[in-house]
Amino acid sequence: AQKVTQAQTEISVVEKEDVTLDCVYETRDTTYYLFWYKQPPSGELVFLIRRNSFDEQNEISGRYSWNFQKSTSSFNFTITASQVVDSAVYFCALRDPYSNSGYALNFGKGTSLLVTP
Amino acid sequence: SQTIHQWPATLVQPVGSPLSLECTVEGTSNPNLYWYRQAAGRGLQLLFYSVGIGQISSEVPQNLSASRPQDRQFILSSKKLLLSDSGFYLCAWSSGGADTQYFGPGTRLTVL
Repeated sequence: AQKVTQAQTEISVVEKEDVTLDCVYETRDTTYYLFWYKQPPSGELVFLIRRNSFDEQNEISGRYSWNFQKSTSSFNFTITASQVVDSAVYFCALRDPYSNSGYALNFGKGTSLLVTP
Repeated sequence: SQTIHQWPATLVQPVGSPLSLECTVEGTSNPNLYWYRQAAGRGLQLLFYSVGIGQISSEVPQNLSASRPQDRQFILSSKKLLLSDSGFYLCAWSSGGADTQYFGPGTRLTVL
């Protein structure tokens, strides 16, 4: 079964601290696609990154970085020098080829990040 | 660039009333379109999926239906709302089925 686990329900950090959001996934496929989305208080889901299973390179985008490790089925997200604007709920997702459409995203429960000044 | 719109932004409806939520996409043609629901507790679930005009696939059995009358328009409907239909409804689009899904601003529905 396809499954995404975000064990951290809520994280609170002080501005400028680094924070890592964990994502562990389960899949029986050898080819799969993982995603991270950000949901600010306004509610819109903002796409952050997509990673294909055959591309194990880590990714850095400004203060954001992602660590993809197939050996541990993890796709963790790190924010360096966090800012108040980073406060949001962050979702990890895995495309489910076994859904009716074949393209449904299986989302984790999300991690609520609060960055305080 | 592509833009996705949803309206209304918020809606409060009594139980048993009808529902119509609209989603439109600009800046692309023949997109794949999706309706997701986010219930309390933050879980998101795909409700419907469409690859073209008039083509709708349902992911889960429910009280809702979807239609795609135009290439870039996706509508979520109900004839009689239930309390359990309350939630945050998100529309999304992608270029192809396996491509990244981009989400709209959402509609918050409260059924009383």
